Amino acid sequence: GAVVSQHPSWVICKSGTSVKIECRSLDFQATTMFWYRQFPKQSLMLMATSNEGSKATYEQGVEKDKFLINHASLTLSTLTVTSAHPEDSSFYICSAPYTGAGNTIYFGEGSWLTVV
Amino acid sequence: QKEVEQNSGPLSVPEGAIASLNCTYSDRVSQSFFWYRQYSGKSPELIMSIYSNGDKEDGRFTAQLNKASQYVSLLIRDSQPSDSATYLCAVSRTGNTGKLIFGQGTTLQVKP
Repeated sequence: GAVVSQHPSWVICKSGTSVKIECRSLDFQATTMFWYRQFPKQSLMLMATSNEGSKATYEQGVEKDKFLINHASLTLSTLTVTSAHPEDSSFYICSAPYTGAGNTIYFGEGSWLTVV
Repeated sequence: QKEVEQNSGPLSVPEGAIASLNCTYSDRVSQSFFWYRQYSGKSPELIMSIYSNGDKEDGRFTAQLNKASQYVSLLIRDSQPSDSATYLCAVSRTGNTGKLIFGQGTTLQVKP
């Protein structure tokens, strides 16, 4: 069945460095993907909409220069956290709508980012 | 006012009982409604989706939608300890485009 895969599952990076998270749709194409962030004991907050072949659309309050999103193909979106700081430590989750049979929204497994 | 509101709980029910989870939303043009279950440290998994007023049943789960009252609920019958998790209500404004607004989630504890 349709699956969305994220990589890496967890990553530790030093403060000031950048880290890239990949989101892949397996077995289906996704012209749009979504990136969410979840802090401990809080809900998922939509960060941005990733659009294949065009610029991402960011939600209010999300810094586009800090969270770079690239949707270079119909199956891959990447989120790069630039100049990471400890307050960026969070659970990052992507999703992709599947418009085939069932017409549902699939979530990736999530990526834990810890900035030290 | 938050766009999607849930009681954070925890909601505690004994094994075998019915758990009732509630959610209200503020945007009247919302069209699609979802219930997700999330275990600690894991990604959310879809339990139910509902698009029209009324009830929708799937196994032990029943989703109820009342657009006039801007209210959606999830009933879990014969609750099991494995149902203990955080339940997230999510709303999509424009059909099933994938852009979801989540509530803060309700933590459910099913005690053996």
